[in-house]
Amino acid sequence: DVVMTQTPPSLSVAIGQSVSISCKSSQSLVYSDGKTYLHWLLQSPGRSPKRLIYQVSNLGSGVPDRFSGTGSQKDFTLKISRVEAEDLGVYYCAQTTHFPYTFGAGTKLELK
Amino acid sequence: EVQLVESGGGLVQPGRSLKLSCAASGFTFSNYYMAWVRQAPTKGLEWVASITNSGGSTYYRDSVKGRFTISRDNAKSTLYLQMDSLRSEDTATYYCTRGGYWGQGVMVTVSS
Repeated sequence: DVVMTQTPPSLSVAIGQSVSISCKSSQSLVYSDGKTYLHWLLQSPGRSPKRLIYQVSNLGSGVPDRFSGTGSQKDFTLKISRVEAEDLGVYYCAQTTHFPYTFGAGTKLELK
Repeated sequence: EVQLVESGGGLVQPGRSLKLSCAASGFTFSNYYMAWVRQAPTKGLEWVASITNSGGSTYYRDSVKGRFTISRDNAKSTLYLQMDSLRSEDTATYYCTRGGYWGQGVMVTVSS
């Protein structure tokens, strides 16, 4: 199975601050079609997960452009510019290149 | 508007069965792969199973292979998860998902 290693496990931030979350995979996430199926999700407290970014850097529907994703092969980063209160929750990276699909353990974003 | 509404959860004894349903609306159901993802209490996300748009191919994580069956009825725009021989470690909230869209989840508790 592809292991997704997310760091840090938690972040304490002030509103308006920018933060980055790292996600490293144990195998390349480039699929045979040339695309990289690495995604970022946010699970706000008590809510279902919501996809923020798909295929490394594509913003999901309705997601503000304060969120951005970069990376390639096995090394990926989610950046949140100017954190807002609604951004709090647990962030997960996920890969859907290889079965079984796997998720990172999550990064909990809290207010300082 | 895309909507995914799960149902069928509840409390069940170990070794018994349960069938989850996910009613989809707001998109052409037969055009999309679908999946089930679960989340044990206070834990992270875990992919369970996926099915192609026609239902011709299915994929499972090892721990549920032979016990769970994913299926779909494209005429009814409904996804299913038949869960047999349930174990305590199957206790989780089960989410129906289509790419960037997730249902509200349904709780399954396996306990005597």
